[in-house]
Amino acid sequence: QVQLVESGGGVVQPGGSLRLSCVASGLNLGGHGMHWVRQAPGKGLEWVTFIRYDGSDDYYADSVKGRFTIHKDNSKSTVYLQMSSLRPEDTAMYYCAKDKGVKYLDYWGQGTLVTVSS
Amino acid sequence: EIVLTQSPATLSLSPGEGATLSCRASQSISSFLAWYQQKPGQAPRLLIYDANRRATGIPARFSGSASGTDFILSISSLEPEDFAVYYCQQGSDGLFRFGQGTKLEIK
Repeated sequence: QVQLVESGGGVVQPGGSLRLSCVASGLNLGGHGMHWVRQAPGKGLEWVTFIRYDGSDDYYADSVKGRFTIHKDNSKSTVYLQMSSLRPEDTAMYYCAKDKGVKYLDYWGQGTLVTVSS
Repeated sequence: EIVLTQSPATLSLSPGEGATLSCRASQSISSFLAWYQQKPGQAPRLLIYDANRRATGIPARFSGSASGTDFILSISSLEPEDFAVYYCQQGSDGLFRFGQGTKLEIK
């Protein structure tokens, strides 16, 4: 079955950078778009970014545009989220999720926690 | 910018009762709406997509409906495991935004 496993979270200082990874198994990553969604402690879900199945296009929430970049390496079955110029308000659990029809998110990982603090 | 507004913020019911959760879109999104369930410490799970289609493995007590920009998630008879937070999400404009969530708690 489809399994997504995130890693790379941790504590980082404001202004710093971090790269998250999401390894996919049970599916051909080259045939699917992927998302990152985050959830600040005690808050709701915030969609962050999406990349098309072939990497031809990507989309970002206004809150991260220009600071975050999504990338997928189909040969490694891995999706990455490169985060830079991090702010305290970026503190959250970050989930990767498989796209369904360029509309929805049908499989989710368990998340990796990012804390931005000095 | 499409905004999704969920109501109520909190819904207190007893097992066996029926539940009705609402999600209103600020503009037309056709039927491109999904519902997710999230339990504490867990990732969200897709329940309903295209407003009324159940995702794989989702029990028949969960159903979705739509009328214009108003969307409803119905749970016909609450099981103890149904008490969770529910989010709607729109898939219309490529920005995939979520509503703020409805917490379904045990009365």
